[in-house]
Amino acid sequence: AQKVTQAQTEISVVEKEDVTLDCVYETRDTTYYLFWYKQPPSGELVFLIRRNSFDEQNEISGRYSWNFQKSTSSFNFTITASQVVDSAVYFCALYAGGTSYGKLTFGQGTILTVHP
Amino acid sequence: GAVVSQHPSRVICKSGTSVKIECRSLDFQATTMFWYRQFPKQSLMLMATSNEGSKATYEQGVEKDKFLINHASLTLSTLTVTSAHPEDSSFYICSARDPPAPEQFFGPGTRLTVL
Repeated sequence: AQKVTQAQTEISVVEKEDVTLDCVYETRDTTYYLFWYKQPPSGELVFLIRRNSFDEQNEISGRYSWNFQKSTSSFNFTITASQVVDSAVYFCALYAGGTSYGKLTFGQGTILTVHP
Repeated sequence: GAVVSQHPSRVICKSGTSVKIECRSLDFQATTMFWYRQFPKQSLMLMATSNEGSKATYEQGVEKDKFLINHASLTLSTLTVTSAHPEDSSFYICSARDPPAPEQFFGPGTRLTVL
């Protein structure tokens, strides 16, 4: 079975602080994909990144960076110099090769609040 | 690219009525669409997976006669909540996948309130 754990339920930071959102996953499949989605107050989930199990290179996109470590089954997300617009719920998700039709397993989400 | 629309964005209805929610992939063909339900401050709960031209696959505990799903074309899936009751009030979100890419693209959601 697949499982995604986001241990941080809520995080509160002040603008310009760096913040890291943790994600730990479990799967027995050797081929899988990991995702991060952002859900702002409007409700729509915004796709941020996809990582496949064979690519452990870290990625940086502007103020966002992701650290994928298979050894610890983690796929953490860091926002550098946070801004108020980063306030949202962030979901980590897993798609494993054995899952039919591409079902995603979501973590519980982390509510990030960035204060001015 | 990869835009998914959902309509309506908000609906209020009386108990006992049926409500239809549409999900469209605007710029790609979605062989597979998914329907989720989300309660406040909770994660997404997958209700069903729909594939174009075939019957939807429902998750355990989801009543298929209550939540009717139709995926008549590669760009449109509909969810009909039949005989809605107040406990059906929730945020319903659809997503679409453009195989072989594994990621799902989500619609903006529909907030259903049943009085």
